[in-house]
Amino acid sequence: GQNIDQPTEMTATEGAIVQINCTYQTSGFNGLFWYQQHAGEAPTFLSYNVLDGLEEKGRFSSFLSRSKGYSYLLLKELQMKDSASYLCAVSGTYKYIFGTGTRLKVLA
Amino acid sequence: DTEVTQTPKHLVMGMTNKKSLKCEQHMGHRAMYWYKQKAKKPPELMFVYSYEKLSINESVPSRFSPECPNSSLLNLHLHALQPEDSALYLCASSQVTGKSLGDEQYFGPGTRLTVT
Repeated sequence: GQNIDQPTEMTATEGAIVQINCTYQTSGFNGLFWYQQHAGEAPTFLSYNVLDGLEEKGRFSSFLSRSKGYSYLLLKELQMKDSASYLCAVSGTYKYIFGTGTRLKVLA
Repeated sequence: DTEVTQTPKHLVMGMTNKKSLKCEQHMGHRAMYWYKQKAKKPPELMFVYSYEKLSINESVPSRFSPECPNSSLLNLHLHALQPEDSALYLCASSQVTGKSLGDEQYFGPGTRLTVT
């Protein structure tokens, strides 16, 4: 079957770095996606990994290890506007499943 | 145009009503998706259309009926819904490259549906 695990909540301070982990089990693998969702809004795409390694996009980076079924999203220089839910999504064979999301609170 | 639009934003309907949700994109994407999202839960995939053909139906009850009239439009027809169907319904679109479901999705703002 398919299963995705993320921490439920995290808290960090403005200007700091935070790492949000995601572990998954899937039948087939077509890629792992990270989305940001502010309360009451739609998810917005942040990053995509299909090969092992680190993908960097400005303040956001995402890492993938396919052999370990593991990914993380790294947010640097945290800003108050980064307070949101971060959803890990895995694309498998005819499946696209979101993790339960990690609610990140950024404190001043 | 990098936007996915959805109408209406809010919908209240009775269990005997028939209504439709609409979604539109003009990014040239050839895959479109319907998701259901309950409060504090992740989106759950309902349907996927690829090149205007239904490619995935995640065992959704028949009271939800999708339709893709053309490459830019996606509808979700609702009939005889139950109160537990109340949720945020999200539409998304993506390109279609080599891998099935292997492209980033762009989401619309959603329709908040309440079934009374």
